Amino acid sequence: EDKVVQSPLSLVVHEGDTVTLNCSYEVTNFRSLLWYKQEKKAPTFLFMLTSSGIEKKSGRLSSILDKKELFSILNITATQTGDSAVYLCAVDGSSNTGKLIFGQGTTLQVKP
Amino acid sequence: DTGVSQDPRHKITKRGQNVTFRCDPISEHNRLYWYRQTLGQGPEFLTYFQNEAQLEKSRLLSDRFSAERPKGSFSTLEIQRTEQGDSAMYLCASSLRGTMLSGDTQYFGPGTRLTVL
Repeated sequence: EDKVVQSPLSLVVHEGDTVTLNCSYEVTNFRSLLWYKQEKKAPTFLFMLTSSGIEKKSGRLSSILDKKELFSILNITATQTGDSAVYLCAVDGSSNTGKLIFGQGTTLQVKP
Repeated sequence: DTGVSQDPRHKITKRGQNVTFRCDPISEHNRLYWYRQTLGQGPEFLTYFQNEAQLEKSRLLSDRFSAERPKGSFSTLEIQRTEQGDSAMYLCASSLRGTMLSGDTQYFGPGTRLTVL
């Protein structure tokens, strides 16, 4: 059965810290891995990764995919209180339907 | 606002009642997805449409659930004879069909939070 596992499930840091969130997956037909940020509302899109070793970067956030070891990491540098949210990892392991399989999410709390 | 919209945002109903939710996708998107999210969990896939055709349904979708996308634009999700276990956030997402290699980027609406008493 296809599955996505995120770790840690929760994390508390102080402003300015750097965090690394992990996502491992087992799917039959990998097409892409996506990261979303969810703040008590709809998940908002962060990154889509399809190729190994190519870092995607947006401001203080970056992500990379390892298709050999079947995992991805999301890094947040110089964290701010506004980064507090649930970070969701999802994998499109479909045969072209686009159906996403989500992990449980990592709850990040950034303290002032 | 050109994002995905959902209505209503909150719904409280009594067990046994029927409820219907609406989703309006981003206008040029041909794919529309429904997911369900319970507290502390990631969203779970329910069903998806490409244009007006419903192409896949999850085993989670019992026969009390039905979804339509009659003209390939907005979609409705109806739950008949609601049960307390149906309480959840119902999320809609839309995408433009990607290439065979790249996959789709799905954009989510704000969700409808259903509480069944």
